[in-house]
Amino acid sequence: AQRVTQPEKLLSVFKGAPVELKCNYSYSGSPELFWYVQYSRQRLQLLLRHISRESIKGFTADLNKGETSFHLKKPFAQEEDSAMYYCALLNAGGTSYGKLTFGQGTILTVHP
Amino acid sequence: DAGVTQSPTHLIKTRGQQVTLRCSPISGHKSVSWYQQVLGQGPQFIFQYYEKEERGRGNFPDRFSARQFPNYSSELNVNALLLGDSALYLCASKGWDRRDSNTGELFFGEGSRLTVL
Repeated sequence: AQRVTQPEKLLSVFKGAPVELKCNYSYSGSPELFWYVQYSRQRLQLLLRHISRESIKGFTADLNKGETSFHLKKPFAQEEDSAMYYCALLNAGGTSYGKLTFGQGTILTVHP
Repeated sequence: DAGVTQSPTHLIKTRGQQVTLRCSPISGHKSVSWYQQVLGQGPQFIFQYYEKEERGRGNFPDRFSARQFPNYSSELNVNALLLGDSALYLCASKGWDRRDSNTGELFFGEGSRLTVL
């Protein structure tokens, strides 16, 4: 069964410090992974996807198949980065076609 | 565009009752998914519908059912409510063409918060 694990429920850093939100997954096929973010009083939205290999709002995430990880990183955190972050894995086939499996989420707080 | 809209935003039911939640996708989106989010956990997949057909189903009991209408809106029904059904129910839509096919980008509504007493 596919699974996404985010080991940290809470993560606090100071503004300007580097931040890394951890995500590990288990999946038998070729994974497609995503980071979703929910800012205060806003709806859940896509931050980035691994197939795009893009940087969004200064965040990057590299898929490491050997370590089955997809950690989210930013070299200099900003206060506006404070939010709930979810790592998600896409199921590309079978009876759960289109299903996203989410981790439990990490609340990031960036202090001034 | 208002984005994905859900109704009602909040509701309270008692055990054994039935509830219907409604969702309107973004204009032009033909796929709708439903997720349950219990406090302190990530969203859990319940159903996905595309072109009025069920395309995916999560590990939820038969008390949970859904349907999609010709205008692509959707309803989620839960029968014989249990205390454990208390949660935020999220609806998400996505486009479905060669460019968007299974990209995994879902557009979420704000959710319907169900409390079962």
